[in-house]
Amino acid sequence: AQSVTQPDIHITVSEGASLELRCNYSYGATPYLFWYVQSPGQGLQLLLKYFSGDTLVQGIKGFEAEFKRSQSSFNLRKPSVHWSDAAEYFCAVGPRSNDYKLSFGAGTTVTVRA
Amino acid sequence: ETGVTQTPRHLVMGMTNKKSLKCEQHLGHNAMYWYKQSAKKPLELMFVYSLEERVENNSVPSRFSPECPNSSHLFLHLHTLQPEDSALYLCASSQAYRDTQYFGPGTRLTVL
Repeated sequence: AQSVTQPDIHITVSEGASLELRCNYSYGATPYLFWYVQSPGQGLQLLLKYFSGDTLVQGIKGFEAEFKRSQSSFNLRKPSVHWSDAAEYFCAVGPRSNDYKLSFGAGTTVTVRA
Repeated sequence: ETGVTQTPRHLVMGMTNKKSLKCEQHLGHNAMYWYKQSAKKPLELMFVYSLEERVENNSVPSRFSPECPNSSHLFLHLHTLQPEDSALYLCASSQAYRDTQYFGPGTRLTVL
């Protein structure tokens, strides 16, 4: 069964600084990979996804993520955060099989200080 | 309206009440999902509908009953809930069963 680990529960970053959120997965083959963001009181919004091809994926709001097969990681990055990036971020993994079930990490809360 | 909508956005109910959550997707998708989001826990998939097929998480108590009358609408009927069922219930849809999921804003449920 696949699983997702987001090691950082909470990250505080200054506005304008860079941000990196970690995601590690456990799965026997290359899965589908996603990052979602959830603002307070809102549902999840898709930031980006990786299915195949270029391992560096560009998403919305200036985010990017890099798939590293050797490290089973799919870390999310943004070079310069804005106050509006304060939210909770979820990494998700889905298998490339008929037994499809999207598994989510527990989330990382990002606080942006002025 | 566009995307995935959910009503109501907030619901408070007693343990003996019967209520229903509604989800509607305006994306032309063929698969719909219910998730439960509790504080500091990963999202839990509750139910999936894909065309005529329902995939159910066997650990979901029978006090939660889904209904999918067509590919655009999904309901979650609630009956005799427990306080630990208080959570944010999220609906999502995707073009097909294994495609990218798009989420609604959720219903914040409080069981007294």
